[in-house]
Amino acid sequence: EPEVTQTPSHQVTQMGQEVILRCVPISNHLYFYWYRQILGQKVEFLVSFYNNEISEKSEIFDDQFSVERPDGSNFTLKIRSTKLEDSAMYFCASTGWDSYNEQFFGPGTRLTVL
Amino acid sequence: KNQVEQSPQSLIILEGKNCTLQCNYTVSPFSNLRWYKQDTGRGPVSLTIMTFSENTKSNGRYTATLDADTKQSSLHITASQLSDSASYICVVSRNDYKLSFGAGTTVTVRA
Repeated sequence: EPEVTQTPSHQVTQMGQEVILRCVPISNHLYFYWYRQILGQKVEFLVSFYNNEISEKSEIFDDQFSVERPDGSNFTLKIRSTKLEDSAMYFCASTGWDSYNEQFFGPGTRLTVL
Repeated sequence: KNQVEQSPQSLIILEGKNCTLQCNYTVSPFSNLRWYKQDTGRGPVSLTIMTFSENTKSNGRYTATLDADTKQSSLHITASQLSDSASYICVVSRNDYKLSFGAGTTVTVRA
């Protein structure tokens, strides 16, 4: 069964460094999302992406964040200069065309900023 | 404000017993309501999705109900197993596909 994959599973970085989190959405899906979940808190929406551009973003998604679909399969989230409070699980999700607009989540990348 | 409230925050049940989780929402305009299971350190996995016209939906031992008038939903787990230990998240989708997440209920099943 097709699934969303994410790499790496765990990323440790120093404060101020740039990180790129990678996602491979389900192949025939058209909408892509990034969410984050700080330990012990609820899942928070970051950004949605469709037709090679951002369709919506939250207040969390500031100038330090960017997304890209560099080729036909990968979808990346870049954090330019990480802060301690960026430590969280980052989930990628994708959806195709169905009546429920069901989003399929990847396994997540745990980002630890030291 | 579009909010999703879940209760209880956590619960512990014995293996083989049943439990019911609650979800109240104020999200509008409503499109559908989903229940996800999230194992520790993993991504959410969809259990059920219901539109406003669907009152109940089952997925194995999981049965979700929806009352769109009172904006309440429940997830019933029957004959719990150790593998049911997880966080269960209620997520409500608006017509513009934006999702509102509940904080989740952490279920611990003990032998």
